Amino acid sequence: DGGITQSPKYLFRKEGQNVTLSCEQNLNHDAMYWYRQDPGQGLRLIYYSQIVNDFQKGDIAEGYSVSREKKESFPLTVTSAQKNPTAFYLCASSMRREAEAFFGQGTRLTVV
Amino acid sequence: GNSVTQMEGPVTLSEEAFLTINCTYTATGYPSLFWYVQYPGEGLQLLLKATKADDKGSNKGFEATYRKETTSFHLEKGSVQVSDSAVYFCALSDTGRRALTFGSGTRLQVQP
Repeated sequence: DGGITQSPKYLFRKEGQNVTLSCEQNLNHDAMYWYRQDPGQGLRLIYYSQIVNDFQKGDIAEGYSVSREKKESFPLTVTSAQKNPTAFYLCASSMRREAEAFFGQGTRLTVV
Repeated sequence: GNSVTQMEGPVTLSEEAFLTINCTYTATGYPSLFWYVQYPGEGLQLLLKATKADDKGSNKGFEATYRKETTSFHLEKGSVQVSDSAVYFCALSDTGRRALTFGSGTRLQVQP
């Protein structure tokens, strides 16, 4: 079945550590996105990529980094520079930039 | 810039009641409009969409009409069920932005 897979579902990190969230899609979509969701709030865009080897900052990119070496993969690294990383992270993809996005099941990151 | 405004929740209804969740937007050009639904601990699922003015999106008994004159895309359902309890997000796509812009979400609670 086609879809977007995020792993792990739950992740715990100690303060000062970097952590990488995985996102893989087999929908053959060109565009991929990372959003952050905090309790009771909407989704905020962290990074997006329209093609392989190219990506742009979203609204809250500080403290995060990404890579897009393959069309199907768009990993997100939460660095120690991110001051408040505890949140629910959602990866999405779309066929083109104007089209609807399809979402993964999310990764809940908790800093302990 | 682009923005989406949704009515604040939670919205609490009895089973079989009529549902309206208001959504208005600000955008340049002619964005596509979407409603997404999120169940607890999961990612977002596309509920319906409309790509041009006066289009009506519909799915699973939910409907929304793209009203350019009032810049609105209100979600409606004639008879809600307990299983409709979730958070609903209104969103728009903008070619200039290249990613979806989301509202803050509206929690719906349906009581038996």
